[in-house]
Amino acid sequence: GEDVEQSLFLSVREGDSSVINCTYTDSSSTYLYWYKQEPGAGLQLLTYIFSNMDMKQDQRLTVLLNKKDKHLSLRIADTQTGDSAIYFCAEKNAGNMLTFGGGTRLMVKP
Amino acid sequence: DTEVTQTPKHLVMGMTNKKSLKCEQHMGHRAMYWYKQKAKKPPELMFVYSYEKLSINESVPSRFSPECPNSSLLNLHLHALQPEDSALYLCASSQDSGHSYNEQFFGPGTRLTVL
Repeated sequence: GEDVEQSLFLSVREGDSSVINCTYTDSSSTYLYWYKQEPGAGLQLLTYIFSNMDMKQDQRLTVLLNKKDKHLSLRIADTQTGDSAIYFCAEKNAGNMLTFGGGTRLMVKP
Repeated sequence: DTEVTQTPKHLVMGMTNKKSLKCEQHMGHRAMYWYKQKAKKPPELMFVYSYEKLSINESVPSRFSPECPNSSLLNLHLHALQPEDSALYLCASSQDSGHSYNEQFFGPGTRLTVL
């Protein structure tokens, strides 16, 4: 079955870059996603990458995909306190449903 | 309108109560989803409706009963719940559950507490 793993916690200082990592097992994944969840709120889609790409940039966000190693990362440049949240990576599985990682809690210190 | 709305925002119920959670979207999406999320865990898929028909039930206990009255609305009827059912219930919608891109838009969730 599919398995998506993330580290639990990341702490950075305001203005630094944050890198959140994710590994997955399903080699047939077509799309991979990053969602952000603030306390008590739903999930907000931040960005996604198609499996035939290795990089996607969107303003402060850079997604890197290493398909060989099944490794996905999200880099947030110039991290702000408003970026503090839980970040979930997710892959589209063979049934077109999402499999989520366990989430990485990002804490940004002023 | 690119929003998924959910009501109520918070719900406290006893184990003998019957209540319903509601979800609405006006994006013309034909797939709608219910997820359950426990604290510090990722969302877990419960049900998927595609074109108003139940297409996936992830072995959810019968005390949860979904309903899709029309393409914009999704309900989750609750009866005889247990305290361990306390969680954030998230609704999502997407254009089509079979579409390969299938971006899911999530609502803000209903925080359910079962006493």
